[in-house]
Amino acid sequence: NAGVTQTPKFRILKIGQSMTLQCAQDMNHNYMYWYRQDPGMGLKLIYYSVGAGITDKGEVPNGYNVSRSTTEDFPLRLELAAPSQTSVYFCASRWTEQMNSPLHFGNGTRLTVT
Amino acid sequence: AQKITQTQPGMFVQEKEAVTLDCTYDTSDQSYGLFWYKQPSSGEMIFLIYQGSYDEQNATEGRYSLNFQKARKSANLVISASQLGDSAMYFCAMREVWGGSQGNLIFGKGTKLSVKP
Repeated sequence: NAGVTQTPKFRILKIGQSMTLQCAQDMNHNYMYWYRQDPGMGLKLIYYSVGAGITDKGEVPNGYNVSRSTTEDFPLRLELAAPSQTSVYFCASRWTEQMNSPLHFGNGTRLTVT
Repeated sequence: AQKITQTQPGMFVQEKEAVTLDCTYDTSDQSYGLFWYKQPSSGEMIFLIYQGSYDEQNATEGRYSLNFQKARKSANLVISASQLGDSAMYFCAMREVWGGSQGNLIFGKGTKLSVKP
C-alpha cells in the first residue's frame, strides 16, 4: 500500500521557470491538501480539495495553482517560480470529515528556486 | 483565529527517560481536535496521537501519551522511555472546525527533540 506518493523528491528551479509537483494517493481519500514548510516553521496550507473537481485556496495560495481531475491525483503547479517559493512541499490526504481522522502525508518535495 | 504555540525550540533527554513536549492552543470553538506528528530527519510526517476536546480520558498510544488540560488549553505530549529513534521534530496541530479549509490542520512551529545515549 503506497499511501501518498509525491514526485519529485528534489528539484532546483531557476527564477521564472514553471513546474508541477505531483501527488497521488491510493487510499480513495476525498480530502487532499498541499502544504509548504519553511525552515523553523510549521506547515502552512496552500490549497485543498474535498473531491474530484473541487478545489479551494488555503492560507498561502499566491503563485500556485491546483487541479483535481481524479480522486487519486492532486498536482500543484508553480508558475513563474520565485526565490520565496523555496520550501519543502507536502501533500496530504484524509479519509473522512470526522474530527479524529488524521492527515496522511507524502514524503515531501524539496524545492530550491535560484 | 486558532493558534498553536510550542515554546520549546529544542530539548534534550537522556535515553530511557521520559520527556514532555509542551503545546498550548487558542480557539473559541467548543469542539476541536489536537494531533501530534513526528518528523524525523528523513523528512516524512508521521501521525502519533489524537485528542478530542470532548474526550474525558487522556489519549495514549504505546509510549506516547497526551496530557490534556482543557481549562489551561494545553495538550502536552509525553514520551516515556525515550529511545534514540525518538530524535526528531515534533509538531502539535489543531483541526480547523469552522471556516472554508475543510479539515485543515493548524501547526505549531515544532520542537526538536534530541535523545542522548
